[in-house]
Amino acid sequence: EIVLTQSPGTLSLSPGERATLSCRASQSVSSSYLAWYQQKPGRAPRLLIYGTSNRATDIPDRFRGSGSGTDFTLTISRLEPEDFAVYYCQQYGSSPLTFGGGTKVEIK
Amino acid sequence: QVQLVESGGGVVQPGKSLRLSCAASGFSFSNFGMHWVRQAPGKGLEWVSAIWYDGSHTYFADSVKGRFTIARDNSKDTLYLQINSLRAEDTAVYYCARGRNYYDASASDYWGQGTLVTVSS
Repeated sequence: EIVLTQSPGTLSLSPGERATLSCRASQSVSSSYLAWYQQKPGRAPRLLIYGTSNRATDIPDRFRGSGSGTDFTLTISRLEPEDFAVYYCQQYGSSPLTFGGGTKVEIK
Repeated sequence: QVQLVESGGGVVQPGKSLRLSCAASGFSFSNFGMHWVRQAPGKGLEWVSAIWYDGSHTYFADSVKGRFTIARDNSKDTLYLQINSLRAEDTAVYYCARGRNYYDASASDYWGQGTLVTVSS
């Protein structure tokens, strides 16, 4: 099973700042099958990025995914008020699929 | 528009069984792989199971293998999760989610609102 470790656990930033979230895999993620999700309290997760760097439908271009192998990054270029949430990475290249533990982006 | 509506959750005693359903609409259900993902109260996401578009292949997390069964009825546009021998650690919100592809190796682009399963005596 591929273990995904997300860091930091919590990121305290102000609106307009840049957020950099990390996701490290215990082994190489097959075919860059790495996704990022956003989740707000009481809501279902929302797909942001799939295939490491492809934005999902209606996702603004301030969200950017990058990386390869075992190291992946989600960058939010300028935080908007609606971006404060928990973010999860997921690998889907090998079964069982796995999620990281999440990074909470909170308002400073 | 794509809609996924879960049902079947509730309070169940340890050792009992439960079947969750997920009614799909707004897309060609038989063309997509489907997933179940759960989230224990205050915890992160845990992938549970996936099924191919035609039901021919199924996959499970190690934590549920042998106790959970996933199935689909493409004539009814409905996904199921049969949960047997329920344990306290199965307490969670269970989400159904659509895969972006017909098979299991895919991100999930649409999610239901979730159904809460509480295992308690």
